[in-house]
Amino acid sequence: GDSVTQMEGPVTLSEEAFLTINCTYTATGYPSLFWYVQYPGEGLQLLLKATKADDKGSNKGFEATYRKETTSFHLEKGSVQVSDSAVYFCALSERIQGAQKLVFGQGTRLTINP
Amino acid sequence: EAQVTQNPRYLITVTGKKLTVTCSQNMNHEYMSWYRQDPGLGLRQIYYSMNVEVTDKGDVPEGYKVSRKEKRNFPLILESPSPNQTSLYFCASSHGTSGNNEQFFGPGTRLTVL
Repeated sequence: GDSVTQMEGPVTLSEEAFLTINCTYTATGYPSLFWYVQYPGEGLQLLLKATKADDKGSNKGFEATYRKETTSFHLEKGSVQVSDSAVYFCALSERIQGAQKLVFGQGTRLTINP
Repeated sequence: EAQVTQNPRYLITVTGKKLTVTCSQNMNHEYMSWYRQDPGLGLRQIYYSMNVEVTDKGDVPEGYKVSRKEKRNFPLILESPSPNQTSLYFCASSHGTSGNNEQFFGPGTRLTVL
């Protein structure tokens, strides 16, 4: 079945460091891919998305490129801030036999130290 | 303000005592779903609904029921809660039934079953 695998956390970085959070997926067809972010005590919010191969999603300095050949959707940011501390979820969405299937990765906790 | 609301936010109950967690959205979204979030497992989909009177099982439906009598409401029912249903629950909604659309999440309900 469909699945999403993220790099193990927690991840701790210093402010202004470069961030990469790896995400790979398995799917039967051509899913849409998402990164969601969860700040402490809140629900998830969409960070960025890509709906087809080679699309690049971007928002708030974060980027991720839909790589069909490597089935990956790695999240990157060039210079992180303390306010980026949160849990990040990679997810895929696919329609199978008329039903929408949503699958999330296990989440990666990111802490940025000043 | 566009939002998804859940009630209650926190609930402590005992094994076997029926409970309902309400979910309501004011965005006229067709698609609604329930997830549970557990450490190391990410979010897992419990049930989803693509429109009024249309519901279907997600990945972990055992022990849960849902109904969709109105477009805005999607309650989650635990007929006989057990300790393994202790978790953080999120309701979400999105426009249409396409897999490409952003999910809007509620603030979460933390449930403890003793």
